[in-house]
Amino acid sequence: AQSVTQLDSQVPVFEEAPVELRCNYSSSVSVYLFWYVQYPNQGLQLLLKYLSGSTLVKGINGFEAEFNKSQTSFHLRKPSVHISDTAEYFCAVNRPDNFNKFYFGSGTKLNVKP
Amino acid sequence: NAGVMQNPRHLVRRRGQEARLRCSPMKGHSHVYWYRQLPEEGLKFMVYLQKENIIDESGMPKERFSAEFPKEGPSILRIQQVVRGDSAAYFCASSPPRGTYEQYFGPGTRLTVT
Repeated sequence: AQSVTQLDSQVPVFEEAPVELRCNYSSSVSVYLFWYVQYPNQGLQLLLKYLSGSTLVKGINGFEAEFNKSQTSFHLRKPSVHISDTAEYFCAVNRPDNFNKFYFGSGTKLNVKP
Repeated sequence: NAGVMQNPRHLVRRRGQEARLRCSPMKGHSHVYWYRQLPEEGLKFMVYLQKENIIDESGMPKERFSAEFPKEGPSILRIQQVVRGDSAAYFCASSPPRGTYEQYFGPGTRLTVT
């Protein structure tokens, strides 16, 4: 079975500071990895995904994530955050042989302060 | 192109009543997925449907819950005889007919059982 752990339920950060949101996963098979963002009162929006190839993945809004197979991690980073990045961020995985079923972490609320 | 639509956005039901949640997928999408998010937890897969077919219902509770995606009209998630433990956010996602690793999410329906 697959599971996803997001260690930080809330991350406060000041505007223009760097941020890292942590995600670790557990799986007995290879997985695909995703980060979704949810702005208040909206649906989840795909930020970026890792399917194969380069372990550093760039997404929308200046975010990037690095896949580390040995540490089973897929941490999300941004070098300089904006107030508009305040949202909840979800890490998710699915299996190549059953990509219709996503497994989500519990989410990290990023609160960017002025 | 309108995104995935869900209604109602908020639903209050008394214990024992029925709850009907609706999901209209994005135009051209024929695959629908339902997820449930309990407080302080991640989204959990419930069911995957294609038009008139349930493909994977491995995440559905065995009693009181049912889902359909008719040939015409929205997908419906139905919860009979609701209990307090059913209080959660229910998210619908859709994807196009050809296999894709992305799912497009709606804003969710927040069900409160009093």
